[in-house]
Amino acid sequence: ETGVTQSPTHLIKTRGQQVTLRCSSQSGHNTVSWYQQALGQGPQFIFQYYREEENGRGNFPPRFSGLQFPNYSSELNVNALELDDSALYLCASSFGTGILANYGYTFGSGTRLTVV
Amino acid sequence: LAKTTQPISMDSYEGQEVNITCSHNNIATNDYITWYQQFPSQGPRFIIQGYKTKVTNEVASLFIPADRKSSTLSLPRVSLSDTAVYYCLVGDSRDDKIIFGKGTRLHILP
Repeated sequence: ETGVTQSPTHLIKTRGQQVTLRCSSQSGHNTVSWYQQALGQGPQFIFQYYREEENGRGNFPPRFSGLQFPNYSSELNVNALELDDSALYLCASSFGTGILANYGYTFGSGTRLTVV
Repeated sequence: LAKTTQPISMDSYEGQEVNITCSHNNIATNDYITWYQQFPSQGPRFIIQGYKTKVTNEVASLFIPADRKSSTLSLPRVSLSDTAVYYCLVGDSRDDKIIFGKGTRLHILP
């Protein structure tokens, strides 16, 4: 079975720009979550998607948005980038029933975003 | 606010058994306890999950006392490759957020 794949692996953007990060779920998984991990910190939950709808969100502003597609892949979009958005962005997939905390998540290796 | 408290860091030696304890005083009846391992520049990797008593798999054991206010991840005979950050999570399917703490940085020495 394939794991979770994320693209790109690294990205440099300028403050004020917009960025789209992509994630392909593990085969058989129907739920996707996104996390932001600053250096030396634990991952911070951004949001989760199930059946193409957001069904849980952390403390992130609306400029962080996402999509889940019928094949369960997902995108994370961040508008009006700020310097503090520089971080490792992780995607995780799981097989869930639409509610959070099926904690057997499979994580991708992340996208390292640098905002300058 | 993190539901869990773990030591910030631990050192051990190759071949030793390592126990990392996590405190979760406010654990709810339906909460499960889950541990993840993370290497630098990689996503966390699921290690083990449990509800009560003891759970064992091919890489670790998880000990949960009767009051469930803490849990201990036990790694038998560690090697240098076990150097990583270990996260303890508590929650159930009714939570609307998933909270990672800062984790425990485990450093294995030769």
